[in-house]
Amino acid sequence: GQSLEQPSEVTAVEGAIVQINCTYQTSGFYGLSWYQQHDGGAPTFLSYNALDGLEETGRFSSFLSRSDSYGYLLLQELQMKDSASYFCAVPMDSSYKLIFGSGTRLLVRP
Amino acid sequence: NAGVTQTPKFQVLKTGQSMTLQCAQDMNHNSMYWYRQDPGMGLRLIYYSASEGTTDKGEVPNGYNVSRLNKREFSLRLESAAPSQTSVYFCASSAGTGSTKQYFGPGTRLTVT
Repeated sequence: GQSLEQPSEVTAVEGAIVQINCTYQTSGFYGLSWYQQHDGGAPTFLSYNALDGLEETGRFSSFLSRSDSYGYLLLQELQMKDSASYFCAVPMDSSYKLIFGSGTRLLVRP
Repeated sequence: NAGVTQTPKFQVLKTGQSMTLQCAQDMNHNSMYWYRQDPGMGLRLIYYSASEGTTDKGEVPNGYNVSRLNKREFSLRLESAAPSQTSVYFCASSAGTGSTKQYFGPGTRLTVT
């Protein structure tokens, strides 16, 4: 079967850097995605890694190590609006239907 | 360009009642999805449609049926609602197989009493 593990909660201070980890177990691997969801809102796509290494998009970066079945989302220069839940997700198969982790709730404090 | 729209936003049902959740997208996407999200949990795929005229089961399909009416619309039906189906339901779409970027609708909050 397939599963993903990520911490349930992370707290950080405004302006700091925070890393949200995700480990996965899959029968085949088709990449690792990250989504953000604010309370009461819909998930929004942040990033996708198919190959090893770091992908940077503004203040957010995502890293993948396929040999370790591990990835992380790095948020820099944290802002209060970054308080949200962050989900990692992997495709079940080549159809790219996604399985989501249970989410990491990030609380940014002043 | 509205993206993905869902109706209704909120719904309360009694056990045994039926209802259909509607979803439409205006991005000309091929693939559409229905997820449920329970409190403090991630999203679980109920059903998936790779293209018009095709549907496939996801992780938790029991108690649900779907219809891909045309390329734009994908509906989810609960034939006989149960309290265990109390959840937030999200519809999503993507360009097609091979695209991991999914666009989500605002969700339907369903309570079954």
